[in-house]
Amino acid sequence: QSLLTQPPSASGTPGQRVTISCSRSSSKIGSNIVNWYQQLPGTAPKLLIYNNNQRPSGVPDRFSGSKSGTSASLAISGLQSEDEADYYCAAWDDSLYVVVFGGGTKLTVL
Amino acid sequence: QVQLVESGGGVVQPGRSLRLSCAASGFTFRNYGMHWVRQAPGKGLEWVAVIWHDGSIKYYGDSVKGRFTISRDNSKNTLYLQMNSLRAEDTAVYYCASTSLFPYAFDIWGQGTMVTVSS
Repeated sequence: QSLLTQPPSASGTPGQRVTISCSRSSSKIGSNIVNWYQQLPGTAPKLLIYNNNQRPSGVPDRFSGSKSGTSASLAISGLQSEDEADYYCAAWDDSLYVVVFGGGTKLTVL
Repeated sequence: QVQLVESGGGVVQPGRSLRLSCAASGFTFRNYGMHWVRQAPGKGLEWVAVIWHDGSIKYYGDSVKGRFTISRDNSKNTLYLQMNSLRAEDTAVYYCASTSLFPYAFDIWGQGTMVTVSS
């Protein structure tokens, strides 16, 4: 069973830098390609990072993605109150032919 | 503008069927794979199914395999999800999503449609 593990919660103060990790249990998850989504309360998810570290047009450069080995990370610098949301990592598992989502991380801006 | 609009949700009894639709506009629907993703109340995101741009290949999550069928009509720019033998655990908001930017990266999402399975 393929799995992506995220911490259930994270927090930071305005202006701070926070990181959210996403650990993969399967080495066959999409050749290491991880995507990140932001879900504000009561809204549909939004693509934040694709292909490990690419930002779609319109996503501020405060958001960055990286990968190392079997883990990926989302970093948010210059934290703002509007960043308070749920964040999900996801990847295509090309051995099981499914998309796997992490359990999600609830980010609180203190 | 680029848009996905889901419809067809509602309250249904366990064991019954429901069909969701997702109308696409503002982009070349027939060129891209389409997915369904769901979210149970208070829970995280769960991938449901994918269909290739031409409908030739379909994959499903384990929890819906054999009960749900994804399909598309490129002439109508519409994606469908036929849900049979519904269970209480299928209760969720169902989103359709497109991968126009990069494979398996959902860059376009609908607003979601709520499905409640209850007697």
